[in-house]
Amino acid sequence: QSVLTQPPSVSGAPGQRVTISCTGDRSNIGGGYAVHWYQQLPGTAPKLLIYNNNNRPSGVPDRFSGSKSGTSASLAITGLQAEDEADYYCQSFDVSLSAVFGGGTKVTVL
Amino acid sequence: QVRLEESGGGLVKPGGSLRLSCVASGFTFSDSYMGWVRQPPGKGLQWVSYISGDSGYTKNADSVKGRFTISRDDSKFALHLEMNDLTAEDTAIYYCARLQWQIPQNYFESWGQGILVTVSS
Repeated sequence: QSVLTQPPSVSGAPGQRVTISCTGDRSNIGGGYAVHWYQQLPGTAPKLLIYNNNNRPSGVPDRFSGSKSGTSASLAITGLQAEDEADYYCQSFDVSLSAVFGGGTKVTVL
Repeated sequence: QVRLEESGGGLVKPGGSLRLSCVASGFTFSDSYMGWVRQPPGKGLQWVSYISGDSGYTKNADSVKGRFTISRDDSKFALHLEMNDLTAEDTAIYYCARLQWQIPQNYFESWGQGILVTVSS
C-alpha cells in the first residue's frame, strides 16, 4: 500500500491528452511538500520528469506538465506519443522527512 | 554528466547479508545528499534510505530500520548500503540516486541503472 495514491493505469490514443492524479494527505502533499514525477520506460531506471510540482528538467518535452492543489497533484501529457508508453510515479516527502512514492501508473498508447 | 554505477548485488539466502556500493561521478559528491530506492519485481518504487553530504544525517524507511545501514566514503566518491537479516521481501532492484535537498522540495535528481538483489534459499 503506497502512501500516495495513483490510478493503476490510464490510456489514450496518439495525440490525445491524458492526466494522472496523485493523492496524498496533510502530512505530505497537503503539508506543503512539493510533488515530483518520474518516468520509467520498460526495462530502464526511473528518470526525473517533473520537479517541484511543475518544472521540467532540461530535455523533457513541454508536452509534460504538472500541477498541485491542496493534497493532490496531477501530471498531464498532451499530444500523446507512442514513446510515452511507460510507468509514471509521483513522489513527495512527509513531515518526518521520509520520501514517499505513489504506486505508479501505467500509460498505454492505444 | 552525472553517472551513478551500482555494484554488489546477487543471490543471498534468507537471514544473510549483502553490501551494495555505488560509485558517483560528474558532480560534487561530497556536497550531495544520496539515497537508495528499491523496486520489487513487477512492483512500484520504494524509498529505502538517504544520507546527508556530511554523513551527519541518515534516515531509513521503517521496513529496513535496524537491518540496513547507509554510509559513504567521499574520498572514493562511493555510497554504500549494508543489508543484514535479509528476507524475501527485500528482493528488488536497488537504485542509487542523488537527491536534490531543499526542504520542502526534495527529490531524486539522478538515478543509477540499478542492481538486482535476490533473497532466496
